[in-house]
Amino acid sequence: AQSVTQLDSQVPVFEEAPVELRCNYSSSVSVYLFWYVQYPNQGLQLLLKYLSGSTLVESINGFEAEFNKSQTSFHLRKPSVHISDTAEYFCAAMIPGATNKLIFGTGTLLAVQP
Amino acid sequence: AAGVIQSPRHLIKEKRETATLKCYPIPRHDTVYWYQQGPGQDPQFLISFYEKMQSDKGSIPDRFSAQQFSDYHSELNMSSLELGDSALYFCASRQAGGMNTGELFFGEGSRLTVL
Repeated sequence: AQSVTQLDSQVPVFEEAPVELRCNYSSSVSVYLFWYVQYPNQGLQLLLKYLSGSTLVESINGFEAEFNKSQTSFHLRKPSVHISDTAEYFCAAMIPGATNKLIFGTGTLLAVQP
Repeated sequence: AAGVIQSPRHLIKEKRETATLKCYPIPRHDTVYWYQQGPGQDPQFLISFYEKMQSDKGSIPDRFSAQQFSDYHSELNMSSLELGDSALYFCASRQAGGMNTGELFFGEGSRLTVL
């Protein structure tokens, strides 16, 4: 069975500071990995994904994540955060070719302070 | 672009009542997933359908049932509601065949409050 672990339930950070949200996964087979963002009282929006190929993936709003197979990690980073980045971030994994359901981590609240 | 549509967006019910949530996937998407997100929790997979057949089942209570119809929309029926059923219910869709980008597209969610 696959599982996703987000060790940090909350990450407070000052505006314009860098941030890293950690995600580790466990799976006996290859997985696709995703980061979703959830703003207050809203749905889940895909931030970025890793399917194959380049291990570094980027989003249009400055986030990036690097797939590290040896460390089974997919940490999310941003060099300079904004107040508007305050949201809940979920890491998720999917086993391709099966039913393709997503298994989510417990989420990390990124709290950006002025 | 068309997105996943969920209705109603908000629903208030009493204990032991019944509720039905609807999900309209993105056009040409043939797979639908239902997730339940309790307060402060991560989304938990409930059930999925592919081509109108149940494809996977997660932590869905026996009091809940779901189906996918010929037009690919899906309905989640919840009976004998309990306080603990209060949650945000997400529907997601994807196209199983063709260019599989792996991505699930989520709706805005239906917030159920059981009093």
